[in-house]
Amino acid sequence: GDSVTQMEGPVTLSEEAFLTINCTYTATGYPSLFWYVQYPGEGLQLLLKATKADDKGSNKGFEATYRKETTSFHLEKGSVQVSDSAVYFCALIDNAGGTSYGKLTFGQGTILTVHP
Amino acid sequence: DGGITQSPKYLFRKEGQNVTLSCEQNLNHDAMYWYRQDPGQGLRLIYYSQIVNDFQKGDIAEGYSVSREKKESFPLTVTSAQKNPTAFYLCASSIGGDYEQFFGPGTRLTVL
Repeated sequence: GDSVTQMEGPVTLSEEAFLTINCTYTATGYPSLFWYVQYPGEGLQLLLKATKADDKGSNKGFEATYRKETTSFHLEKGSVQVSDSAVYFCALIDNAGGTSYGKLTFGQGTILTVHP
Repeated sequence: DGGITQSPKYLFRKEGQNVTLSCEQNLNHDAMYWYRQDPGQGLRLIYYSQIVNDFQKGDIAEGYSVSREKKESFPLTVTSAQKNPTAFYLCASSIGGDYEQFFGPGTRLTVL
């Protein structure tokens, strides 16, 4: 079945440091890939997405590139801020054979803490 | 503003009681979903609905029930048959199956 594996956290950085959160996936078909962010006590917000190989999703300084050859979708940001402290989830929707019903398969989440 | 609302934000229930969590969206989305989140884990799909008057079980449907009588509403009932109901419940919606999902703020259910 489909699965998403994220690097284990928690990740602790100083403000303005470079961020990478690794995400790899297995899927039967041709998945769309997503990064969601969850702030404490809140629901998930879509951060960025990519729907086909070599697509780069970007938003709020975050970027991730859909790498089919390595089945990866790593999240990066050049300079993190304290306000970026949250839990980050990598996820996919697998459109195997056109039978997708929109099921999101999530990674376990990575806690990011940014200190001033 | 369009969005998804869930109520209540916090809910307490005694063992043996059923409880219903509300989810409403004004995004005109056809598909709606319910997820459960436990500490330190990703989200798991409980039920989903692709269209009014139709819904399907997800990965962990046992002990839960849903209805979809209106396009904008997808309430979830946590029944007494759910053995470990204490969790954070998230509702989501999307235009259709392959599109990104938008999430509500969640309801935290605690069984006393």
